[in-house]
Amino acid sequence: DIQMTQSPSSLSASVGDRVTIICRASQSTNNYLNWYQQRPGKAPRLLIYAANTLQSGVPSRFSGSGSGTDFTLTISSLQPEDFATYYCQQSYGIPQTFGQGTKLEIK
Amino acid sequence: EVQLVESGGGLVQPGRSLRLSCAASGFKFDDYAMHWVRQGPGKGLEWVSGLSWNSGSLGYGDSVKGRFTISRDNAKNSLYLQMNSLRTEDTALYYCVRGPPLVTTILYNWFDPWGQGTLVTVSS
Repeated sequence: DIQMTQSPSSLSASVGDRVTIICRASQSTNNYLNWYQQRPGKAPRLLIYAANTLQSGVPSRFSGSGSGTDFTLTISSLQPEDFATYYCQQSYGIPQTFGQGTKLEIK
Repeated sequence: EVQLVESGGGLVQPGRSLRLSCAASGFKFDDYAMHWVRQGPGKGLEWVSGLSWNSGSLGYGDSVKGRFTISRDNAKNSLYLQMNSLRTEDTALYYCVRGPPLVTTILYNWFDPWGQGTLVTVSS
């Protein structure tokens, strides 16, 4: 199985900050790497797919980059609604696996 | 509007069975791969199972393999998850999620949108 590790597990930041979340795979995912946002009490929402493609309707302050085993999600200027938990997911191997999540909190 | 509505969850004893359903609307169901993803209380996301549009490609997570069976009825725009030999660790909110269009594999998928989930509690 491909193991996904996110860092940090939690992060405190302020509105307007630039934030980067890292996702590392135990082996190459061939860029089949997706990012999701989950607000408390809500279902997850797709932000980025195939490492760097912004899902329709997602604000442009979100961006994804990386290749092979190392990927990043960047939020260029945090907004109040961005405080949530973020997950990466690989779909290159079966079983498909998620990172453990990064909880983004208000400082 | 694209909608995925799960049903069938509830309280069940260990060792028993349960069948989840997902009713899809607002899109051409038989063009899309579909998946189940679960989230235990206070925990992260876990992929459970996926099925391609024509049922030709399917897969399961390690923890449910041999106990759960995914299926679909394209005529009814519905996805199912038959869960047998349930364990306390299967307690979770089960989400029905859609893969991308016009792919014949459950690999290389992303999940959008997600339903609101149906809660399964396995307890004696």
